[in-house]
Amino acid sequence: GQQVMQIPQYQHVQEGEDFTTYCNSSTTLSNIQWYKQRPGGHPVFLIQLVKSGEVKKQKRLTFQFGEAKKNSSLHITATQTTDVGTYFCAGHYGQNFVFGPGTRLSVLP
Amino acid sequence: DVKVTQSSRYLVKRTGEKVFLECVQDMDHENMFWYRQDPGLGLRLIYFSYDVKMKEKGDIPEGYSVSREKKERFSLILESASTNQTSMYLCASSPQDSQSYSNQPQHFGDGTRLSIL
Repeated sequence: GQQVMQIPQYQHVQEGEDFTTYCNSSTTLSNIQWYKQRPGGHPVFLIQLVKSGEVKKQKRLTFQFGEAKKNSSLHITATQTTDVGTYFCAGHYGQNFVFGPGTRLSVLP
Repeated sequence: DVKVTQSSRYLVKRTGEKVFLECVQDMDHENMFWYRQDPGLGLRLIYFSYDVKMKEKGDIPEGYSVSREKKERFSLILESASTNQTSMYLCASSPQDSQSYSNQPQHFGDGTRLSIL
């Protein structure tokens, strides 16, 4: 079946440093969604990207969809301790979708 | 705000038992999903439903069944629980759109941590 890979699996950063997680698919996506799961919590929807090359920003978070619609990235500028959690992408292929394994972010104060 | 409620936060059962996990959503969403979440494996789809009495297998349906008799309720059933079904189980719901049943953002419940002894 379809697979979505995410790298890195884990990332430890010092507070104030930037962070990026990448989501890659072997086939073209119709759209991609990003979710955040805080420790002990449940995944919460962040954003959806639909168009090739699309870039969306939410405060310190920047989301990008690749030109070929096969990859996406989430970049956090100047991380804060509140950014701690696991970030998942969910790639959609027409009627089907699959979640990536997630990137767990730790932020050291 | 969308509310997805899972009946138990923690559950301990024994091998061979029949286990029911319940999920209720209050936003009249057409789609409902059951996942299990294991370290390093992310969210894996067990079953989903896009309408009452409709169900579709996800990526890992073996050992599970589901029931959707009412729009707001989606039940996951472990027919004969086994230790490898110890996991965190997450329920989610989403509205449908004109293009796809799965395009809309999913709203998750708090999860049920199930231990099979």
